[in-house]
Amino acid sequence: AQKITQTQPGMFVQEKEAVTLDCTYDTSDPSYGLFWYKQPSSGEMIFLIYQGSYDQQNATEGRYSLNFQKARKSANLVISASQLGDSAMYFCAMREVGSRKLSFGAGTTVTVRA
Amino acid sequence: NAGVTQTPKFRVLKTGQSMTLLCAQDMNHEYMYWYRQDPGMGLRLIHYSVGEGTTAKGEVPDGYNVSRLKKQNFLLGLESAAPSQTSVYFCASSTGQGIQPQHFGDGTRLSIL
Repeated sequence: AQKITQTQPGMFVQEKEAVTLDCTYDTSDPSYGLFWYKQPSSGEMIFLIYQGSYDQQNATEGRYSLNFQKARKSANLVISASQLGDSAMYFCAMREVGSRKLSFGAGTTVTVRA
Repeated sequence: NAGVTQTPKFRVLKTGQSMTLLCAQDMNHEYMYWYRQDPGMGLRLIHYSVGEGTTAKGEVPDGYNVSRLKKQNFLLGLESAAPSQTSVYFCASSTGQGIQPQHFGDGTRLSIL
């Protein structure tokens, strides 16, 4: 069964606007972590933000914030004030405490327009 | 700021050839991982290691072997390359404490003809 679902294969956003990338997950483990990674066209995987299942507040890192809705099993990434350099593929991933591996979604391609 | 370094960055092999991908990390991380990324998909775990001298299978281990003789190095081997192993390979590392982010290398693009 798919553990991470990203339903938006591609999105366009105007420079300086905010964009929300959807991510839903499936787990029965009460302890887990959620991650977002950015993969620009150059290919490297860049860690952006992390949310623990027991964290009371939504994680924020600069222009990135994670809208964590535990009951809905949702962990959406919000990028505020988009920049041209934000154009990339974005992956949502989850690791359950009893597992060593990260389960990745299929990714969402974001294109920022000037 | 080396972090996780993968060598080589690109390689083309013929079917049946063997090769080894090298991953080195300088962050003193306990855990290391090898993933593959195929078009339209996220990353899938091949093998991982939770410490020097230990290895374990991930979700797609067939056709690959690994070794972790030193804490900082994690090697991925293809004994007899097949076209289905054409992919981009990523190495990652993380601390062994709690659920921590994995830090990735820049990837190795491997083509099997």
